[in-house]
Amino acid sequence: DVKVTQSSRYLVKRTGEKVFLECVQDMDHENMFWYRQDPGLGLRLIYFSYDVKMKEKGDIPEGYSVSREKKERFSLILESASTNQTSMYLCASSAGGAAGDTEAFFGQGTRLTVV
Amino acid sequence: AQTVTQSQPEMSVQEAETVTLSCTYDTSESDYYLFWYKQPPSRQMILVIRQEAYKQQNATENRFSVNFQKAAKSFSLKISDSQLGDAAMYFCAYRSLVQGAQKLVFGQGTRLTINP
Repeated sequence: DVKVTQSSRYLVKRTGEKVFLECVQDMDHENMFWYRQDPGLGLRLIYFSYDVKMKEKGDIPEGYSVSREKKERFSLILESASTNQTSMYLCASSAGGAAGDTEAFFGQGTRLTVV
Repeated sequence: AQTVTQSQPEMSVQEAETVTLSCTYDTSESDYYLFWYKQPPSRQMILVIRQEAYKQQNATENRFSVNFQKAAKSFSLKISDSQLGDAAMYFCAYRSLVQGAQKLVFGQGTRLTINP
């Protein structure tokens, strides 16, 4: 059974803290993604990675950074958490290549509250 | 940059009836994939159906089918014989085939309620 696992389902952090959200996939996928989900805005892409140590900014990268040292793991870092980063964070992975399997698989999400 | 628009924030349907969710998108690419994902209250995103742009035939998966109009850049989802378990947020998504740019671009979502 394919799986994308996010380290926490719920997280509460204080303003100014450095926050790490971890995501691990077991499908040997090249692509990994971090999305933020807010009501009425859908899913917005923060960062994505198409290979180890490679990263690309998405639509809303400000205030976030990422790390991908190993193929299976993609970390999202909030350098100094702020209340406007309170949200649901979803990690996803997909195979690379135009001719390959195109389905993206998602983790169960981390609901982050910054107080 | 590609954009996806879902103009119906909420929809409701009677159990066993048919409902259609709308989605439009904008792209300059000629080949791509389109998807409908379902997110139930458990928050787990589940793929409902996918459509490859170069295929003219509309995709179907049991009670779920799409109406893909490439020229109009429209991709609607039809759910037949609606069931209580269909209640969820539904997201339309676009995926480029360009290597290194295969991110999913999502619409705003439509919350579907099923009335018993």
